[in-house]
Amino acid sequence: DGGITQSPKYLFRKEGQNVTLSCEQNLNHDAMYWYRQDPGQGLRLIYYSQIVNDFQKGDIAEGYSVSREKKESFPLTVTSAQKNPTAFYLCASSPQGSTDTQYFGPGTRLTVL
Amino acid sequence: KQEVTQIPAALSVPEGENLVLNCSFTDSAIYNLQWFRQDPGKGLTSLLLIQSSQREQTSGRLNASLDKSSGRSTLYIAASQPGDSATYLCAVRRPTSGTYKYIFGTGTRLKVLA
Repeated sequence: DGGITQSPKYLFRKEGQNVTLSCEQNLNHDAMYWYRQDPGQGLRLIYYSQIVNDFQKGDIAEGYSVSREKKESFPLTVTSAQKNPTAFYLCASSPQGSTDTQYFGPGTRLTVL
Repeated sequence: KQEVTQIPAALSVPEGENLVLNCSFTDSAIYNLQWFRQDPGKGLTSLLLIQSSQREQTSGRLNASLDKSSGRSTLYIAASQPGDSATYLCAVRRPTSGTYKYIFGTGTRLKVLA
């Protein structure tokens, strides 16, 4: 069963804590992405990675960090520097040679208490 | 700076109606445009992808058109069903080579009443 998994589905964090959101794919895709979705707004790109050990900042990277040590995994850390982290976070992937279609995971809803 | 707008923000129609969702973008220099469906609390599913050189794409009851010169795309849904209820998002891909970044609209929340 190929696809993208994100965990956990719901995450609660106290102010001042760092949290890491997991994203794993078994589609053998080279490119992976993290988006943030707020109510009434479109998706905004946080970070993306086109290949292992390389990643680029998106439009709203401040307060976030990522790593890409394995092709299958692209974890996102929401740091205490992110001022308004409560949101729905979506991970996606696409094949390098055909990057038109992005395949999305089910998302993680992060709430800061 | 590319901006993508979707109007209306929400739409409620009776079952069986044909309907049109609109997507506007400010910069006509796009690589492609994609329509997605998102169910509540879930990820996105790609519905239709239109390359910049194409005018429309069809899949089942869905038809998407693209008019780059006017900066518009429409998603036509024929004979709507309650199962079509979801949020529909359009996204345009920037034309910069080597990057794969999409700009998303805010979405249209559709409710089809039985």
